[in-house]
Amino acid sequence: EAAVTQSPRSKVAVTGGKVTLSCHQTNNHDYMYWYRQDTGHGLRLIHYSYVADSTEKGDIPDGYKASRPSQENFSLILELASLSQTAVYFCASSERDSQAPLFGEGTRLSVL
Amino acid sequence: QEKVQQSPESLIVPEGAMVSLNCSFSDSASQSIWWYQQHPGKGPKALISIFSNGNKKEGRLTVYLNRASLHVSLHIKDSQPSDSAVYLCAVSDYGNEKITFGAGTKLTIKP
Repeated sequence: EAAVTQSPRSKVAVTGGKVTLSCHQTNNHDYMYWYRQDTGHGLRLIHYSYVADSTEKGDIPDGYKASRPSQENFSLILELASLSQTAVYFCASSERDSQAPLFGEGTRLSVL
Repeated sequence: QEKVQQSPESLIVPEGAMVSLNCSFSDSASQSIWWYQQHPGKGPKALISIFSNGNKKEGRLTVYLNRASLHVSLHIKDSQPSDSAVYLCAVSDYGNEKITFGAGTKLTIKP
């Protein structure tokens, strides 16, 4: 069964600390995405990737890095976490053409 | 940059009513359009997609796309309390490289 697994499911981080969110897909999909969700803003695209070892900036990349070491794994890195990065983060994967992205269950990040 | 706007922000209807949700987008070259359903604490789940002008029906769901007016709508027939959720409209560029979401409509079905 197709799946996207995110870890951790929740995390509390301190301001200025480093945070890494991980995503693993078993779907053999080319595309992977990182979104953040805030009340009133829906889902906003941070970074995406269409092939291993390559990442692209989305609409709100500032303060975030991404890494795709293999087709199955895609990480989101906050080098210096800030209060404004408190949000729910979703990872998704999809085929190259026309298929609806499949989402993970999300990671709730609180930066204190 | 693609802009996707949804209306209304929230909607409360009685069980059994027909529900209509709206979505407008800015790029006429947009390729695929999907509607997602999201329950609290869960990831979004794709419900129905449309690519060509016209309508598409799947069970109690019907989606209408008008590319000339840059508008797509989702209609839910015979609504149930389990349909209560946030509904998200998503629009992709060619090849699924960038997918832009609207802010969502919160739907509540009253038993």
